[in-house]
Amino acid sequence: EAGVAQSPRYKIIEKRQSVAFWCNPISGHATLYWYQQILGQGPKLLIQFQNNGVVDDSQLPKDRFSAERLKGVDSTLKIQPAKLEDSAVYLCASSSTRNYGYTFGSGTRLTVV
Amino acid sequence: AQKVTQAQTEISVVEKEDVTLDCVYETRDTTYYLFWYKQPPSGELVFLIRRNSFDEQNEISGRYSWNFQKSTSSFNFTITASQVVDSAVYFCALVGGTSYGKLTFGQGTILTVHP
Repeated sequence: EAGVAQSPRYKIIEKRQSVAFWCNPISGHATLYWYQQILGQGPKLLIQFQNNGVVDDSQLPKDRFSAERLKGVDSTLKIQPAKLEDSAVYLCASSSTRNYGYTFGSGTRLTVV
Repeated sequence: AQKVTQAQTEISVVEKEDVTLDCVYETRDTTYYLFWYKQPPSGELVFLIRRNSFDEQNEISGRYSWNFQKSTSSFNFTITASQVVDSAVYFCALVGGTSYGKLTFGQGTILTVHP
């Protein structure tokens, strides 16, 4: 079974620039999550999709972050404009409905300078 | 609200020592799942174990063992005869039955095993 694919693996941008991350979940997994992991901390949920719909985006800074999940499969997370404090690893995960079996991607390490 | 606390920020041991990583959780859900993940320097989260709230049996898998105690809201993880390859950040996590699958992670414990 292929894992959760994420790209790019690394990204360095200047503050106020925009950036986008891509995630392809495991085939058939209805639920997709984006987590932000700041250095030295545990991952924190930014947004959760169930198929096409948003289940939870309460922790997403909506003034600068946006996310979409096209056709209930791939997802993109965008930051515009980026701030220094957005430097983190962005992890995508997916799970099949209600079995609590999560698979995480390798993450995108974002550095904002 | 759910909360996971890993009070140990960093632990350093010498190879072959046993080490226990502590995890304390808070939830109002009666049904919940607890997890341990390993995050090596490469960054990916490696699944180690999932335990549901109705199963308090301890589990052993090779050199790894887990002690789940609902009475103290703890889910501790022990590595027996540690090895250098065990060096990583370890996360405890919780998902409650009413949280729609949202994982809440602890702050992580950095384990360094010296040769």
